[in-house]
Amino acid sequence: GEDVEQSLFLSVREGDSSVINCTYTDSSSTYLYWYKQEPGAGLQLLTYIFSNMDMKQDQRLTVLLNKKDKHLSLRIADTQTGDSAIYFCAESPYSGSARQLTFGSGTQLTVLP
Amino acid sequence: DAGVIQSPRHEVTEMGQEVTLRCKPISGHNSLFWYRQTMMRGLELLIYFNNNVPIDDSGMPEDRFSAKMPNASFSTLKIQPSEPRDSAVYFCASSADRGPADTQYFGPGTRLTVL
Repeated sequence: GEDVEQSLFLSVREGDSSVINCTYTDSSSTYLYWYKQEPGAGLQLLTYIFSNMDMKQDQRLTVLLNKKDKHLSLRIADTQTGDSAIYFCAESPYSGSARQLTFGSGTQLTVLP
Repeated sequence: DAGVIQSPRHEVTEMGQEVTLRCKPISGHNSLFWYRQTMMRGLELLIYFNNNVPIDDSGMPEDRFSAKMPNASFSTLKIQPSEPRDSAVYFCASSADRGPADTQYFGPGTRLTVL
């Protein structure tokens, strides 16, 4: 079955770049997503990438996709304390009518002053 | 848009009691999902509905759990009887499912504590 894996923790200094990595196993994955969960809140969609793209940039966020290695990364430039949260990678297969998502375990990002 | 609305935000109950969690999806969305989040198991999909019809309930842990969606704007997740191991944050999410950006939008969650 599908599996999405992420490292559990990442700490960076304020102002540095953060890179959160994710690997997935489903070769039919069509869309890959990054969600952010702040303490006490639900998951919030940050960005997504279609599987025929290599890179997508959105302000401070850069998503890189290596489809051959099934590796996805999220780079946050100039990381701020407000970026401290749990970041979830998720994948969605080509088939399926309801955008079923398989989520990773989440990466806890801590931004140190 | 008000987003996905869940109630209550917090629920504390005693073992054996019935618990009902409620969700109002985003207007116009045709898919609704119930998730459970715990430290040990992460985010688990319990059930999802498409056009008010349950499509996949394979994630529902036991017969103690049931979910309904009587109309497009309301869904409930019921646990009867509740047990301490049901303590978790329960999320509802909805999706319009019209294109690549139509992914799931999550509510704020209900934190359930069963004593």
